[in-house]
Amino acid sequence: NAGVTQTPKFRVLKTGQSMTLLCAQDMNHEYMYWYRQDPGMGLRLIHYSVGEGTTAKGEVPDGYNVSRLKKQNFLLGLESAAPSQTSVYFCANSDGLGGYTFGSGTRLTVV
Amino acid sequence: KQEVTQIPAALSVPEGENLVLNCSFTDSAIYNLQWFRQDPGKGLTSLLLIQSSQREQTSGRLNASLDKSSGRSTLYIAASQPGDSATYLCAASSGGSYIPTFGRGTSLIVHP
Repeated sequence: NAGVTQTPKFRVLKTGQSMTLLCAQDMNHEYMYWYRQDPGMGLRLIHYSVGEGTTAKGEVPDGYNVSRLKKQNFLLGLESAAPSQTSVYFCANSDGLGGYTFGSGTRLTVV
Repeated sequence: KQEVTQIPAALSVPEGENLVLNCSFTDSAIYNLQWFRQDPGKGLTSLLLIQSSQREQTSGRLNASLDKSSGRSTLYIAASQPGDSATYLCAASSGGSYIPTFGRGTSLIVHP
């Protein structure tokens, strides 16, 4: 989707491996979010940020860490991947006034 | 805590029908409500955004309404087409961080 880019698009990890998902925006928005989407569970908020240098926990933060060192980027890290983290991950942003723009997602499989 | 419910969970209709998708939310102190479309294996595409001060928004064959007092929003699709087949999600934004809370979506199939 225009303005929010996620990399990588697909990844397969072995249990215990680590990885970082990158979300980059060119919209200069303050608010950024990481969601995971699982069948039957809908979209659940993992972590979010209200501006550069800030992060906060969402509904399902365990097993994940995030950083927002630059306004344009919001990184989601998995330190020790588990099969329960197999999911589709979406990043989104907002200027707080309008709506939300989503990235195209990262499909992660942990074996 | 905001909770968003979408009914029905799935819907199958013949082409040409007008249809209504429902979204309800528990915390009426929302900033806005947004409807998204998601095609299989794809991301979310924004359809309509309704600010808390607005009652409805229209885009082409789509019309979304918002009734904060009753905690409800509806998405009306006129003259449905097979290309409308997708999952439709609503998200209510509330709280100091404008966090959108999503419903689980309505899976729509429009058959020729």
